[in-house]
Amino acid sequence: GEDVEQSLFLSVREGDSSVINCTYTDSSSTYLYWYKQEPGAGLQLLTYIFSNMDMKQDQRLTVLLNKKDKHLSLRIADTQTGDSAIYFCAELEGKLIFGQGTELSVKP
Amino acid sequence: GAGVSQSPSNKVTEKGKDVELRCDPISGHTALYWYRQSLGQGLEFLIYFQGNSAPDKSGLPSDRFSAERTGGSVSTLTIQRTQQEDSAVYLCASIQNYNEQFFGPGTRLTVL
Repeated sequence: GEDVEQSLFLSVREGDSSVINCTYTDSSSTYLYWYKQEPGAGLQLLTYIFSNMDMKQDQRLTVLLNKKDKHLSLRIADTQTGDSAIYFCAELEGKLIFGQGTELSVKP
Repeated sequence: GAGVSQSPSNKVTEKGKDVELRCDPISGHTALYWYRQSLGQGLEFLIYFQGNSAPDKSGLPSDRFSAERTGGSVSTLTIQRTQQEDSAVYLCASIQNYNEQFFGPGTRLTVL
């Protein structure tokens, strides 16, 4: 099937780390992505990882990929209130298929 | 332009009417996607154009939906005989390669 799955909500306190999880469907997906959608704003590509990598770090963002379990995660270090948004994962299997999004709420 | 533009930004129509949604991608980008996002939902894939290849229409929910891309650039998504369940935000994405992806602001369609 084409169901990329994410938990719907995550709430953290400012300064804590956030971990958003995603399970994808196709072991042959070449790239996996994380996007951010802020209220009233468009979708923004945050980061991506190539399928032959296990980890990618980009400033406060760390992406972990477990190909065996088809599990992708996004860790945001030192989460700030400005990180409050909906985060989508997506896999590229010929075309981009998105999860349903995880709403991250950051409490001061 | 510097980004992806979509028009109109908002469209309110009556059930049964036809609507056309337009996407102006980034010049030179070879791939163009249409998605729709219903309230509180993820992005539902609709259709994908890649260069001169035949489009992947596998996500179109019914034969009331169609899309074309003229000259490898501007794309129009047409919904015929709109239904209330078609109400959503329709997003266009302009993609050059695996890491150059830009999304438009979307067209919010409301079918009364």
